[in-house]
Amino acid sequence: QKEVEQNSGPLSVPEGAIASLNCTYSDRGSQSFFWYRQYSGKSPELIMSIYSNGDKEDGRFTAQLNKASQYVSLLIRDSQPSDSATYLCAVNFGNEKLTFGTGTRLTIIP
Amino acid sequence: SAVISQKPSRDICQRGTSLTIQCQVDSQVTMMFWYRQQPGQSLTLIATANQGSEATYESGFVIDKFPISRPNLTFSTLTVSNMSPEDSSIYLCSGTTDANEKLFFGSGTQLSVL
Repeated sequence: QKEVEQNSGPLSVPEGAIASLNCTYSDRGSQSFFWYRQYSGKSPELIMSIYSNGDKEDGRFTAQLNKASQYVSLLIRDSQPSDSATYLCAVNFGNEKLTFGTGTRLTIIP
Repeated sequence: SAVISQKPSRDICQRGTSLTIQCQVDSQVTMMFWYRQQPGQSLTLIATANQGSEATYESGFVIDKFPISRPNLTFSTLTVSNMSPEDSSIYLCSGTTDANEKLFFGSGTQLSVL
């Protein structure tokens, strides 16, 4: 069974701090990993993709991948109230489809 | 990325009826998928919409209940048939244009079945 696991939260972070979101997955052979942001009542939007071990930075977002530990994380620096959303981790288990985690609800406290 | 127009955005339907959801992409996509998101839950893949052939359904989903069409590379429909209150959910179509499966989504259809 291919699974993606996330802490459902809610995760509360003060404005300006770093928000850290974590995800684990079940298949060590997975190659593609994605973070989506979903505002309430909206559809998911892709914010980061990562394919190799290490860090990938895009603006205030950093994705971190550790394939040996089957772990992918998302860091949001200088958190803003507009970052309050549910963050979905998604993994391609090699079958051309994405499997999504249950999502972590993030609240940025002004 | 491409833009997907999905309609209707929401509907309230009676038990036993059917609803067809349409998705139109503004450019050709290689793969199209239909997801369901029940309240407070994550996304569950219903099926892969195959252009010009029968869709590929995930475990727990069947063609009689969720018939899907994809007549060309930019358009797909999902029908929710013989609806019951358990079908109340958000239905999302999605597509990808590259081999790394970066998915983008339509705006979703919020379905309520009475």
